Amino acid sequence: QKEVEQDPGPLSVPEGAIVSLNCTYSNSAFQYFMWYRQYSRKGPELLMYTYSSGNKEDGRFTAQVDKSSKYISLFIRDSQPSDSATYLCAMKPSGGSYIPTFGRGTSLIVHP
Amino acid sequence: DTAVSQTPKYLVTQMGNDKSIKCEQNLGHDTMYWYKQDSKKFLKIMFSYNNKELIINETVPNRFSPKSPDKAHLNLHINSLELGDSAVYFCASSQDQGFADYGYTFGSGTRLTVV
Repeated sequence: QKEVEQDPGPLSVPEGAIVSLNCTYSNSAFQYFMWYRQYSRKGPELLMYTYSSGNKEDGRFTAQVDKSSKYISLFIRDSQPSDSATYLCAMKPSGGSYIPTFGRGTSLIVHP
Repeated sequence: DTAVSQTPKYLVTQMGNDKSIKCEQNLGHDTMYWYKQDSKKFLKIMFSYNNKELIINETVPNRFSPKSPDKAHLNLHINSLELGDSAVYFCASSQDQGFADYGYTFGSGTRLTVV
């Protein structure tokens, strides 16, 4: 079992839909949780960052962490075709190694 | 102004050749990284440099050798290229070794194809 599991998709939704992207993990030491967005032929860019459990909102994006279930989510409201990209989760412990472990990414397609 | 720039963007070369990829960041970050993204999109850390000093060297064949002439540059040299080296190589940088909420800034990648 990989440390971070993420369904590669693709996930195809109509414009305006609410999108839910998820990752599960096995390492209970993970404390920092990040979501990166990667457009085709580009490098990943940091979208959102949360520490420990709880929710964080930024515009149409909400990141949620449930440490008891070792499950994190990214919700996108009112999805747009420009949101079509691969979304990678990443996480790391608070001490020791500061290199995050990445999920393999979920490909999202928002069609008009 | 590109924050993290890599050259070349595309590299097609024959097995057995030696090639280099260059990376430069103008963000003033003190840590730089090389990542490899395979065909299944997994991003794997290869090397990390902090202020020109190697701090992370994952299990990577010694045909791969990073060099950091200064903290704004991190180059990757690959000897005796093999078919399995075909992948996208990303350079990244971060402040404070990736702590807090700065995250990493990635370059656009170098798509290496070994034939």
